[in-house]
Amino acid sequence: DQQVKQNSPSLSVQEGRISILNCDYTNSMFDYFLWYKKYPAEGPTFLISISSIKDKNEDGRFTVFLNKSAKHLSLHIVPSQPGDSAVYFCAAAETSGSRLTFGEGTQLTVNP
Amino acid sequence: DAGVIQSPRHEVTEMGQEVTLRCKPISGHDYLFWYRQTMMRGLELLIYFNNNVPIDDSGMPEDRFSAKMPNASFSTLKIQPSEPRDSAVYFCASSLSGNTIYFGEGSWLTVV
Repeated sequence: DQQVKQNSPSLSVQEGRISILNCDYTNSMFDYFLWYKKYPAEGPTFLISISSIKDKNEDGRFTVFLNKSAKHLSLHIVPSQPGDSAVYFCAAAETSGSRLTFGEGTQLTVNP
Repeated sequence: DAGVIQSPRHEVTEMGQEVTLRCKPISGHDYLFWYRQTMMRGLELLIYFNNNVPIDDSGMPEDRFSAKMPNASFSTLKIQPSEPRDSAVYFCASSLSGNTIYFGEGSWLTVV
């Protein structure tokens, strides 16, 4: 039972354009959501998060949007840079604990 | 700041041998997690500890897997006996009473 799903295994965008990565979840108990970025041969690194009381959180070029009614969140990267090329994981947690459930990941490639 | 430190970074072992992976969490963090990443299953949580106590080990695949946390600064994940299907990247991660989890760089295990 995949509670967090990233339906696009890969995404390719041009440098300077917007990258939009999507994530859907099924567990209505999730109320904290995170995005992690992973380069090859490295561990995932925390990128940005959002709690369910918000619908948007912005940090520089990165913005996460949350649509609770649709159980959907997205990560926008504007403008995209070649250094953003990595695997992006969506993750979710319930308030009751710190256990994170991860999506399958989306490989983002930003072409110069 | 020292992040989560894992050892060994790479291990190649023969089927049937015992494998021990080690982790030093970020100082002061009270949660420690062991994740496994495979192509087939993505990032999956094996076990996590809170204040050195195992909270949820439902992700541990079999009795061949065991994890300990004898103190706040050290944890081990042991596989005995190892099998080729255990080949994966094993990540240790830690957090401080919250949901932002910081990962180590991973231990790449190959069982031949």
